[in-house]
Parts: sequence; C-alpha cells; structure tokens
Amino acid sequence: DTGVSQDPRHKITKRGQNVTFRCDPISEHNRLYWYRQTLGQGPEFLTYFQNEAQLEKSRLLSDRFSAERPKGSFSTLEIQRTEQGDSAMYLCASSLAGRGLQNTDTQYFGPGTRLTVL
Amino acid sequence: AQSVTQLDSQVPVFEEAPVELRCNYSSSVSVYLFWYVQYPNQGLQLLLKYLSGSTLVKGINGFEAEFNKSQTSFHLRKPSVHISDTAEYFCAVSNNAGNMLTFGGGTRLMVKP
Repeated sequence: DTGVSQDPRHKITKRGQNVTFRCDPISEHNRLYWYRQTLGQGPEFLTYFQNEAQLEKSRLLSDRFSAERPKGSFSTLEIQRTEQGDSAMYLCASSLAGRGLQNTDTQYFGPGTRLTVL
Repeated sequence: AQSVTQLDSQVPVFEEAPVELRCNYSSSVSVYLFWYVQYPNQGLQLLLKYLSGSTLVKGINGFEAEFNKSQTSFHLRKPSVHISDTAEYFCAVSNNAGNMLTFGGGTRLMVKP
C-alpha cells in the first residue's frame, strides 16, 4: 500500500502564472477529493470525483480553478492566473465507497502541495 | 449544513498527563465523525473514526474518543501523553453520503517535558 502521493510537494510561483498539481490516490480507491488548507485553519473542501466524474464543487472553487480525473485514477488541479490569496496547502485524499460501512468513505490524505504565490 | 467547533485552539500539557481535546458538531442528518492528526509539514493521518455501534472508539497511538449524540460532541482523550504527541489535531464530520469532510479549526496540542 503506497498511500496517496502528491506532486510537487512545494511550488513557488509569481502572481498571474498558472500552476498544476497532481494527485495519485490509493490504487483501488474510486473517490478522490481536493481540499485547501490555509495557515492555522482546518482543511476546506474544494471538489471530489467518483471515478472520472466530478460530482461536487465548493463555492471556493472559482472559475480560475479546474480539476480533472480523466481515467478515474490520478487527478490534476490547475489554478490559472494565480493570486496571492491562493497561497495555501492543497491536500488530496482518496476513499473507497460502496464496500460496506467500515470501508465507506474513510478518507486517506496525501502529504499536500504547498503553494506560495509571490 | 454541517459545522464543527473545536473549542480550544491550543492545549498545553505536561508529558504523562491526561488530555482531552474537545469537539462539537452540528448537523441535521446522521454523521460520521473523525479525528485526524497533522504533524508539521505533513498531511493528515487518521487517528480514529465513528461510523456506528459503540460510542467509545479506540484509535492509534493510545487515543480514544466518545460519541455523545445528545451533546453533539466527539471529544478526543488520551490518559498519558508523550512529547511525540505534539501536533495539530482536527475533528471532522461527514454526511451520510460521505462525499466531503467538514473540519474544525484544529487544536494544537503542545506537550511539555
């Protein structure tokens, strides 16, 4: 079990640039989630996928943000025209749904990608 | 809508002392409850979860939590803490569909020698 992995771990960019993050979930997990965590706060939900379908998006996910999970495996989160307010830790999590209560929707988190927008 | 309140932003405690980290939630539907721990510059690690059944849940590293439906609480406890327990602890709730977690603001546990 390799766990959830995220790449890169750190990203520094200038305001106005585009950035893309990648998340690889635990291999048999069919749900994948993105959260954003700012300093001193708990994570906030952004969006989630079941297989390749994006089923829910938070109002935090402005039109500058787009997430994909093209083959139901890894996912990418792109931020266009970054702003200083986008500086945060971006966390990915995955879970297995539909296999009974004890396995349902316990989310396992990756190490996160820390974004700094200068 | 769901919300989670962690009443203490910081909890200082001496090594080998007991600790309780408080968590209250609000939800109009049945919920699943979780505690996660976050060490510096790392992601979140699941400590324990309540899905159904016994209201006393035991987790990793000697932690346990008790679900109290009437008080809408899910407080985390450990009878004797170690220096290595110093971290940020997050309480979270998800709804029946489990499609998103709502987190509290976190409690920083600081264990002193």
